[in-house]
Amino acid sequence: DAGVTQSPTHLIKTRGQQVTLRCSPISGHKSVSWYQQVLGQGPQFIFQYYEKEERGRGNFPDRFSARQFPNYSSELNVNALLLGDSALYLCASRVDLSGANVLTFGAGSRLTVL
Amino acid sequence: EDQVTQSPEALRLQEGESSSLNCSYTVSGLRGLFWYRQDPGKGPEFLFTLYSAGEEKEKERLKATLTKKESFLHITAPKPEDSATYLCAVMNTGFQKLVFGTGTRLLVSP
Repeated sequence: DAGVTQSPTHLIKTRGQQVTLRCSPISGHKSVSWYQQVLGQGPQFIFQYYEKEERGRGNFPDRFSARQFPNYSSELNVNALLLGDSALYLCASRVDLSGANVLTFGAGSRLTVL
Repeated sequence: EDQVTQSPEALRLQEGESSSLNCSYTVSGLRGLFWYRQDPGKGPEFLFTLYSAGEEKEKERLKATLTKKESFLHITAPKPEDSATYLCAVMNTGFQKLVFGTGTRLLVSP
């Protein structure tokens, strides 16, 4: 079975540009979450979506936005990029929001902002 | 605010030398405590979920335990392939996000 797939795997942008990252969840999983992992730190929660609705937002500026599509895939958009946005962006999917069911992570998209 | 603190930051072991990693947490109401393994440049890989104090889970050379304030990941007779960063995270009963610690970088030398 395919796991969580993310694209692109690596990308380089310059300050002020915009970026879109994509995520396809495991088949049958209806919830997708996004996390930012700065080098040497643990992942930090950005967004959670379930059934195409936002169900949670972390402490990130409005430059960060996301959406979930009818097929449960998701996009994360970051506008007006700053050097500090350089990080590994992780997508995680889970079956639903009940209990403490497991979040399965993708390999991430490595963003470098110059 | 939920918090997770992991120690040590880094740990170097010889192959076969057993040890433990610590995860201290504060959470408003624990829905679950998660352990993940992360290899360089990759996403976290799920290891265990613990739900209540006293619970223990095992997988190969790894054993996770949980108390009301901390969790331990015991590594018995580690091998070089166990080298990775081990992340601990909590999920509370209200909000659905995971709150991660900064991880323990484990290096096992042959």
